Amino acid sequence: EAGVTQSPTHLIKTRGQQATLRCSPISGHTSVYWYQQALGLGLQFLLWYDEGEERNRGNFPPRFSGRQFPNYSSELNVNALELEDSALYLCASSWDRLNEQFFGPGTRLTVL
Amino acid sequence: GENVEQHPSTLSVQEGDSAVIKCTYSDSASNYFPWYKQELGKGPQLIIDIRSNVGEKKDQRIAVTLNKTAKHFSLHITETQPEDSAVYFCAASEWNDYKLSFGAGTTVTVRA
Repeated sequence: EAGVTQSPTHLIKTRGQQATLRCSPISGHTSVYWYQQALGLGLQFLLWYDEGEERNRGNFPPRFSGRQFPNYSSELNVNALELEDSALYLCASSWDRLNEQFFGPGTRLTVL
Repeated sequence: GENVEQHPSTLSVQEGDSAVIKCTYSDSASNYFPWYKQELGKGPQLIIDIRSNVGEKKDQRIAVTLNKTAKHFSLHITETQPEDSAVYFCAASEWNDYKLSFGAGTTVTVRA
């Protein structure tokens, strides 16, 4: 069974640009979660999507947004990039609301 | 909200010795406690979890204990091997909730 996949692996942008990160959940999983892992810090919850709807978001500004598609894959968009947005962005998926979240390898976003 | 504290931040052990990582949580409603292992360049991998209806769970060389009264839980790794070197994260949430609150992580180094 394939795990959670994320693309791209690395992304380099300049300040003020927009970044789009993609995630494909494990087959059969309907919930997708996004986390930010800044260097030296733990995982901070960003967004939760379930059945195509944004169900909740963490303490991040509105320029962090996303969506979930009918096939349950998800996009994370970060607008007006700032230097401090540089981090590893992790996507996780789970079956329904169960807490067993399985993570992808992440997208390393670097903002110059 | 839930606040999870994790100690120590770094841990160096001799191969074959045991490693113990401790976490405390603040929300008495939390009843699901997973542990993740993150190797360099990879996403976190779920290694073991425990729910509040049990006090201890073991899987080969890994065990987790939970003290709900004191609101702390611990990860025990016995007979450590070089491949156990990684960053370990504890987390807590209410079962069937969407959000995991993570500790800051423990970098474990196993010396050969």
